[in-house]
Amino acid sequence: QLQLQESGPGLVKPSETLSLTCTVSDGSFISTNYYWGWIRQPPGKGLEWIGSIYYSGSTYYNPSLKSRVTISVDTSKSQFSLKLSSVTAADTAVYYCARDYGGSGSYFESWGQGILVTVSS
Amino acid sequence: QLVLTQSPSASASLGASVKLTCTLSSGHSTYAIAWHQQQPEKGPRFLMKLNIDGSHIRGDGIPDRFSGSSSGAERYLTISSLQSEDEAGYYCQTWGTGIRVFGGGTKLTVL
Repeated sequence: QLQLQESGPGLVKPSETLSLTCTVSDGSFISTNYYWGWIRQPPGKGLEWIGSIYYSGSTYYNPSLKSRVTISVDTSKSQFSLKLSSVTAADTAVYYCARDYGGSGSYFESWGQGILVTVSS
Repeated sequence: QLVLTQSPSASASLGASVKLTCTLSSGHSTYAIAWHQQQPEKGPRFLMKLNIDGSHIRGDGIPDRFSGSSSGAERYLTISSLQSEDEAGYYCQTWGTGIRVFGGGTKLTVL
């Protein structure tokens, strides 16, 4: 059964780069049927899509975050990673990784448990 | 611009039914959506994909108390026989080429 597990530092200083990794437990990572996405949720607020990536490295990013976001893959480890640069307190959120269904991606059909990242000095 | 609009809150009684609404922005009324549930202090869970014709595919283990329907630009989630564990946030989500969009979410209170 698919499991997605986020990992990374829970505390990042302002102006630094937030880095998270998602590990995919089953063999579906290298598949033509899925993209893989990052979504975040600030405390008490709604969900915001950050970006999605195909196992080949093709990416889509939220235009509002595109200038600061890089998503990459490591197929040898069944992992994909998020880097968000120049963070501020507004980037404090729970960050989720998810499987994005379809060869072009569409809806998020399976979610990780999430990881809280706080931006503070 | 692709936007999803949801009412911030809804309430219904234990054992009753409730219908939540997600409205697609002008020019996007043919889009399919997905519904996600987020129980307190938990991550989201995929409930279903809902098509323009009202057909829907539930996620693994989602009971048939959860159903979807569509009318024009509106997409609905109906929960019947409400249980206490249905008290949660409900988010609709849609997609286009290179973009994913979430609605603002509806917080459902079970009375």
